[in-house]
Amino acid sequence: AQSVTQPDIHITVSEGASLELRCNYSYGATPYLFWYVQSPGQGLQLLLKYFSGDTLVQGIKGFEAEFKRSQSSFNLRKPSVHWSDAAEYFCAVGAGANQAGTALIFGKGTTLSVSS
Amino acid sequence: SQTIHQWPATLVQPVGSPLSLECTVEGTSNPNLYWYRQAAGRGLQLLFYSVGIGQISSEVPQNLSASRPQDRQFILSSKKLLLSDSGFYLCAWTPGQGWTDTQYFGPGTRLTVL
Repeated sequence: AQSVTQPDIHITVSEGASLELRCNYSYGATPYLFWYVQSPGQGLQLLLKYFSGDTLVQGIKGFEAEFKRSQSSFNLRKPSVHWSDAAEYFCAVGAGANQAGTALIFGKGTTLSVSS
Repeated sequence: SQTIHQWPATLVQPVGSPLSLECTVEGTSNPNLYWYRQAAGRGLQLLFYSVGIGQISSEVPQNLSASRPQDRQFILSSKKLLLSDSGFYLCAWTPGQGWTDTQYFGPGTRLTVL
């Protein structure tokens, strides 16, 4: 069965420091991968997505992610974290037939705190 | 531009009471609609999705139900709430071409069952 694992429940990073959030997936076919961010009490916003092609994907707000098939990973990175990046981050994989009504499988999320 | 609304924003209900949460989408037609529940420490769980009026698919058997009476309206209901129904409920939509499209999420409803 398809699954997504985010090994880190909570990460604290100093403002200005680099960030890497880990995501591992389990899926037998070519994965379609996403990162979403959720600010406190809000809905989710798409940061970036990977379908094919260049394995390094650029997203909004200065985020990027790298797809590594050999490691079944899709880690999210940012070179310099801002206090406004404090939020919960979700990795997700598109599973099953890509057809109307099929939804994503989400990881349990990583909470990012930013210290000054 | 498209917008998605959910209400109420917060709700406190006693065990055994009914529930009705509403989600509406503006600025698009024939969207795919989804209900997710987010419980603390458990990530997002897909509850229902709909590809059209009156068409509902359930992902998880439970005491909740969903309905889509209009193209851009999606309702989550329960006849009798359980304590375990507490959580953050998110509605989402996509343009109707599968999950390769971005899912756009509403602001959510925080439900507390006492």
